Amino acid sequence: AQTVTQSQPEMSVQEAETVTLSCTYDTSESDYYLFWYKQPPSRQMILVIRQEAYKQQNATENRFSVNFQKAAKSFSLKISDSQLGDAAMYFCAYRSSTDNYGQNFVFGPGTRLSVLP
Amino acid sequence: GAVVSQHPSRVICKSGTSVKIECRSLDFQATTMFWYRQFPKQSLMLMATSNEGSKATYEQGVEKDKFLINHASLTLSTLTVTSAHPEDSSFYICSASRVEWSNQPQHFGDGTRLSIL
Repeated sequence: AQTVTQSQPEMSVQEAETVTLSCTYDTSESDYYLFWYKQPPSRQMILVIRQEAYKQQNATENRFSVNFQKAAKSFSLKISDSQLGDAAMYFCAYRSSTDNYGQNFVFGPGTRLSVLP
Repeated sequence: GAVVSQHPSRVICKSGTSVKIECRSLDFQATTMFWYRQFPKQSLMLMATSNEGSKATYEQGVEKDKFLINHASLTLSTLTVTSAHPEDSSFYICSASRVEWSNQPQHFGDGTRLSIL
């Protein structure tokens, strides 16, 4: 079974600075998908960024980018120019590409990010 | 696109009451819906996977008779917490997807906060 680990329960960053949230996962599969979700105090789950394992290029969405190291099974999220609205719980998630019917996600335990003004 | 509506957003009721939570995909037909439970400051825990027209697949430790799931159509899945007790108080979130969306994220509802008195 796949597992997702986020070793940082809490992180803080100064507004306008850069922060990196770590995520590692364990899988025996070669093809899969990785996601970062943001959950603000409203509890809504918001997709931040996603990465296909077969793509070597790191995904980027505006101020959010990932460092995907497939061999190391690492998928960190970098937030540049942090804003107060970035404060939230961040979850790393894994999904197998072979489990098309179930499409089950495996979520990490989360990292709570605080942004300091 | 890919909007998921979850209703109600908040429920407060007495112990012994059965509570039904609805999850609707508004602009697509969801072949698969997922139900999660989230305790405070914790990650999402998958309770069951619901495929349209078939019985839900429950995760280990989740009581089928306690948490009844129905996925009668491609746009609606319901979770009924039967004879709810205070320990069932939690945040419940649904998400929806389609079989062929192998590289797509899950689309989440806004969640239901259930409080049993």
